[in-house]
Amino acid sequence: NAGVTQTPKFQVLKTGQSMTLQCAQDMNHNSMYWYRQDPGMGLRLIYYSASEGTTDKGEVPNGYNVSRLNKREFSLRLESAAPSQTSVYFCASSETGFLGDTQYFGPGTRLTVL
Amino acid sequence: GQQVMQIPQYQHVQEGEDFTTYCNSSTTLSNIQWYKQRPGGHPVFLIQLVKSGEVKKQKRLTFQFGEAKKNSSLHITATQTTDVGTYFCAGPRGQNFVFGPGTRLSVLP
Repeated sequence: NAGVTQTPKFQVLKTGQSMTLQCAQDMNHNSMYWYRQDPGMGLRLIYYSASEGTTDKGEVPNGYNVSRLNKREFSLRLESAAPSQTSVYFCASSETGFLGDTQYFGPGTRLTVL
Repeated sequence: GQQVMQIPQYQHVQEGEDFTTYCNSSTTLSNIQWYKQRPGGHPVFLIQLVKSGEVKKQKRLTFQFGEAKKNSSLHITATQTTDVGTYFCAGPRGQNFVFGPGTRLSVLP
């Protein structure tokens, strides 16, 4: 099993450009998450999907949209990138989404917005 | 909203020394999780604590959950270079978890 995979690994954008970060998991997990990680600030939840067909805002959703394409895939879209969105983005999944569930993280996407 | 804080932010130790990081919440937690992130890597789940006063051990790592369930600690005995990384605690908030800012551990050989 590959676990949680993310593409691309690195990306450089210019301000105003758009892009989609892809995430897939092969563990048959119900819940998926998108986090961003900035130096000294830990992981902050952008959006999550408790189950296929549902998505909800996390702590820092502004400037992002998500799509839960199917049970395996959860994508994150930046419609008009801004320098403040320079960060490392992690996708994660968990079996049930209930509190106490272990979250499994992907390798991350390092995004720079110029 | 509920906040999770960690101290220290950074810790440099000589190999063989002990290391402790502390996690504090502004509210009572139903449970707490600990994750480790190696440099350039992704967070990896270490353990979950649920009961008041709970102590769990994983080899050289000892995890404690406070009696009031508002704080937790991770203690590493006799650090090794493989312990290098950032240690995060995470507490529940609503349907999800909120992560602390992490403690970055450097181990000098």
